[in-house]
Amino acid sequence: AQTVTQSQPEMSVQEAETVTLSCTYDTSESDYYLFWYKQPPSRQMILVIRQEAYKQQNATENRFSVNFQKAAKSFSLKISDSQLGDAAMYFCAAGNRDDKIIFGKGTRLHILP
Amino acid sequence: GAVVSQHPSWVICKSGTSVKIECRSLDFQATTMFWYRQFPKQSLMLMATSNEGSKATYEQGVEKDKFLINHASLTLSTLTVTSAHPEDSSFYICSARSPFSYNEQFFGPGTRLTVL
Repeated sequence: AQTVTQSQPEMSVQEAETVTLSCTYDTSESDYYLFWYKQPPSRQMILVIRQEAYKQQNATENRFSVNFQKAAKSFSLKISDSQLGDAAMYFCAAGNRDDKIIFGKGTRLHILP
Repeated sequence: GAVVSQHPSWVICKSGTSVKIECRSLDFQATTMFWYRQFPKQSLMLMATSNEGSKATYEQGVEKDKFLINHASLTLSTLTVTSAHPEDSSFYICSARSPFSYNEQFFGPGTRLTVL
């Protein structure tokens, strides 16, 4: 079974600064995928970034990047140049190929103007 | 592209009645859809995996007779909450597995169910 742990229930960052959200996971699978999802107040789940475990290169999407440490089973999200629109719940998630996704408990990110 | 809709977005019902929630993939075919439940300020909890043309696979602890799932077509899955009670009040989210890439899901906007 897979588990996903987010140890930071809430975080705050000053606008334009950089923040890192932590996530650890556990899986016995060799072929798996990791995700960060954003859930704004509208509650629509938005995929922020996706990492395939077999790829060593860290995924990036504009201001969002991950630090994927496979041996440590760590998958942190870095948000650069934080913007007010980044305020949301962020969920780390893991899943096997063609299988269900398991979500962490989430980190609520506040952006301070 | 890759839009998933849910209907209704918000529903209020009386205790003891049944409520049906629809999940549609609008511009792609989805052989697999997922149903999640989310309590306030909590994470998404997977309830079941819905496969077109076959029975849904329920997660441990989810009552299959209470939460009926039907996936009759490649673009529609339904969740029926039978004999609803106030404790069934929650936010229900569906997602559809992407046919374009491995293990990617497209999420619907969710349905808020309130049982009086």
